[in-house]
Amino acid sequence: EPEVTQTPSHQVTQMGQEVILRCVPISNHLYFYWYRQILGQKVEFLVSFYNNEISEKSEIFDDQFSVERPDGSNFTLKIRSTKLEDSAMYFCASSDSRGRYEQYFGPGTRLTVT
Amino acid sequence: KQEVTQIPAALSVPEGENLVLNCSFTDSAIYNLQWFRQDPGKGLTSLLLIQSSQREQTSGRLNASLDKSSGRSTLYIAASQPGDSATYLCAVLNQAGTALIFGKGTTLSVSS
Repeated sequence: EPEVTQTPSHQVTQMGQEVILRCVPISNHLYFYWYRQILGQKVEFLVSFYNNEISEKSEIFDDQFSVERPDGSNFTLKIRSTKLEDSAMYFCASSDSRGRYEQYFGPGTRLTVT
Repeated sequence: KQEVTQIPAALSVPEGENLVLNCSFTDSAIYNLQWFRQDPGKGLTSLLLIQSSQREQTSGRLNASLDKSSGRSTLYIAASQPGDSATYLCAVLNQAGTALIFGKGTTLSVSS
């Protein structure tokens, strides 16, 4: 069964460093999303992406964040200068059509900023 | 701003019991509602999706209902098993179809 994959599973970085989280969405999906979950808190929407542009972004998704679809299969989230409060689990999701918009999630990348 | 609330926050039941998890949302202008399962330290597994025009969906021992006008959904689990132990998340998709808004979840523990 097709699934969303994410790499790495765990990333440790120092404050102020740039990180890139990678996702491979399900191959025929057209809509892509990033969410994050700080330990013990709700899953929070960050950004949605369709047709090579951002559809919507939350107030969390400030100038430190960016997304890119560098090729036909990958979808990346970049954090330019990490802060301690960026430590969280980051989930990528994809969905296939406007008809259902059912989102399928990857296993997540645990980001630890020290 | 859409807010999603799930009650109870935690629930412990003996194996075999039927149970109901509740979800409420403040803005009825939604595209659909999804129920997810999350195991500790893991990703989210989609269980059921209900379109805004639907009243319920069933998958195996799971039944989800939606009352959009009152801003409520329930997830009914029949004949619970220890393997059902997990956190169950409710999420509503905004009308534009661009963002899922999540509740904090109900953590279910089923004892054998």
